[in-house]
Formats: sequence, C-alpha cells, structure tokens
Amino acid sequence: AQTVTQSQPEMSVQEAETVTLSCTYDTSENNYYLFWYKQPPSRQMILVIRQEAYKQQNATENRFSVNFQKAAKSFSLKISDSQLGDTAMYFCALTMEYGNKLVFGAGTILRVKS
Amino acid sequence: DGGITQSPKYLFRKEGQNVTLSCEQNLNHDAMYWYRQDPGQGLRLIYYSQIVNDFQKGDIAEGYSVSREKKESFPLTVTSAQKNPTAFYLCASSIRATNEKLFFGSGTQLSVL
Repeated sequence: AQTVTQSQPEMSVQEAETVTLSCTYDTSENNYYLFWYKQPPSRQMILVIRQEAYKQQNATENRFSVNFQKAAKSFSLKISDSQLGDTAMYFCALTMEYGNKLVFGAGTILRVKS
Repeated sequence: DGGITQSPKYLFRKEGQNVTLSCEQNLNHDAMYWYRQDPGQGLRLIYYSQIVNDFQKGDIAEGYSVSREKKESFPLTVTSAQKNPTAFYLCASSIRATNEKLFFGSGTQLSVL
C-alpha cells in the first residue's frame, strides 16, 4: 500500500520570502509519480507541479520547485517569492506508473502574510 | 471552455434519504473519479471509472453508488447506508490514468439536516 505523510499541518511565511513544505511517502514500486496540488479558499483543486520518479532532475514551474530525494522517499515543495495568492492548502499526492488511484497526504495550510 | 461541472454547490440530506451529486465533463477524458474531503484530512477515493459502463470501488465506497452510462457524466449517489455523509465531495477527470494531471470540479458540500 502507498502512503503519503505531510508533517506540517500549518505554516506561515512573509510575502516575498521563500517557504518549503515537506512530504514523505512510502511505496514498494520503482516507477511512480508525485504531485503537489493547491486548494485555495475557493476550494478549487489546482495542479502545482508533477514529478516522474524515473527522472532525477527536480521539476520546476516558475516560482515552484521540488526537492525529490528518491532514496529518502522525500518530496518537498519550495515556493520562492511568496505571494498573497499562494495562501492555500497544499496536498502532496502519489500514484503508480499505470495507476488509477491518487493517494493524498493530509495537507499543509500555508498562510502568506503581508 | 472545457472543464468539469459539479452541481449542486450545496446539498442537504434528510435522514434515510438518498441524494445524487452531479458531475459532467466536456474534456473528452476517459477516466473520472469521486473523492471525499473531510476537515483536516486529505482526499479519499470513493469510486473511479476508466471507461463507459465500468467503474471500480475506491477506498471508502461503502454507502455510495455510481454509474457511468455516458463518457461525459459520472453521478454519485450518497445512500441512506452512508451514516456520516457530511463532507466536501470532489469530482475529477484525467485523460486515462492518475499519472496524468487531474482536472477537478468546484465541489459539492453535503450536509445532514
């Protein structure tokens, strides 16, 4: 069975600063995919970033980047130059290569302060 | 615009009543999913469908039922057997599988009267 753990229930950061959200996971598979999804106060889920486990290069999307450590089963999200619009619940998620189930962590609430 | 439409936005259920949540997509995606979100918890998979006329139970299917008669539609019925139905329900779709981007609807908040 696959599990995803987010150990930080809540975090806060000042506008324009950098923040890192933690995620660890467990799977016995070698090929899998990891995601970060964002859920703002509107509750609309939005994909932030996607990482394929067989790619060693860390994924980046503008101000968002990941630190993927396959051996440690760690997948942290770094948000640079934080903006007020980044305030949201962030979910880490895991699925297998030909998966039909996306397993989510419990989420981290991020508050960006002005 | 392509996307997923969920309705209603808010729904109230009386004890012993079955209610149906609607989910429609015009993205031409094969796969569709229903997730339940409780406060302080992540999303949990209720049911998924990878093709018309076929669907599979997720991790918490008890007390729920679905149908997939059309590619575009994947309604979820919360039956009276679901004793704790109060939650936020999210429908999602993907082209074929979950290793691709999931597109989510805006959700339905179900509460018990």
